Amino acid sequence: ELKVEQNPLFLSMQEGKNYTIYCNYSTTSDRLYWYRQDPGKSLESLFVLLSNGAVKQEGRLMASLDTKARLSTLHITAAVHDLSATYFCAVDNTGNQFYFGTGTSLTVIP
Amino acid sequence: DSGVTQTPKHLITATGQRVTLRCSPRSGDLSVYWYQQSLDQGLQFLIQYYNGEERAKGNILERFSAQQFPDLHSELNLSSLELGDSALYFCASTRTSGGSGNTIYFGEGSWLTVV
Repeated sequence: ELKVEQNPLFLSMQEGKNYTIYCNYSTTSDRLYWYRQDPGKSLESLFVLLSNGAVKQEGRLMASLDTKARLSTLHITAAVHDLSATYFCAVDNTGNQFYFGTGTSLTVIP
Repeated sequence: DSGVTQTPKHLITATGQRVTLRCSPRSGDLSVYWYQQSLDQGLQFLIQYYNGEERAKGNILERFSAQQFPDLHSELNLSSLELGDSALYFCASTRTSGGSGNTIYFGEGSWLTVV
């Protein structure tokens, strides 16, 4: 079974600081997805990364994919309170399944 | 609004009972996924249907079953409920059967509480 691991699991950071969330997965895939979830809410799609070296940016978030290392990163620049949420990465294998990581709970402190 | 509709939003039921959760995918989406989210297990893939046929099965208990109907809506049936089945159940949909790089879109979820 494909395994997807994220770290850290919990992240508390001050406003204005930068940080990176890491997503490692255990099998070959060139499709990686990032989602955001607010408490008790649905999952919102943030990024879709479809090839080695893919980089996508939206506002203060930037995601990248290294398929050779089986690693994706979600970089947060100059964090603001509105970014507080849980972030999930997911990998889509050829078996039609989306495997989600454990999630990273981010709290941005004023 | 993702376009994926789930009902009911909240459900409280007793142990041993059976419930049915319903999902209408986005217009044009043929694939439906069911996920269970609980505090201790995270987001667990249960099962996937594509155009009425089961395509992939994850960590779905034998007490649980699902189906996708000709109009593409899907139902997840949970029976002989236990306290540990209390969770948020998500339905998600996408246009293809998977593996194509299309993201999947999630509904708002159905909160199930077993008492």
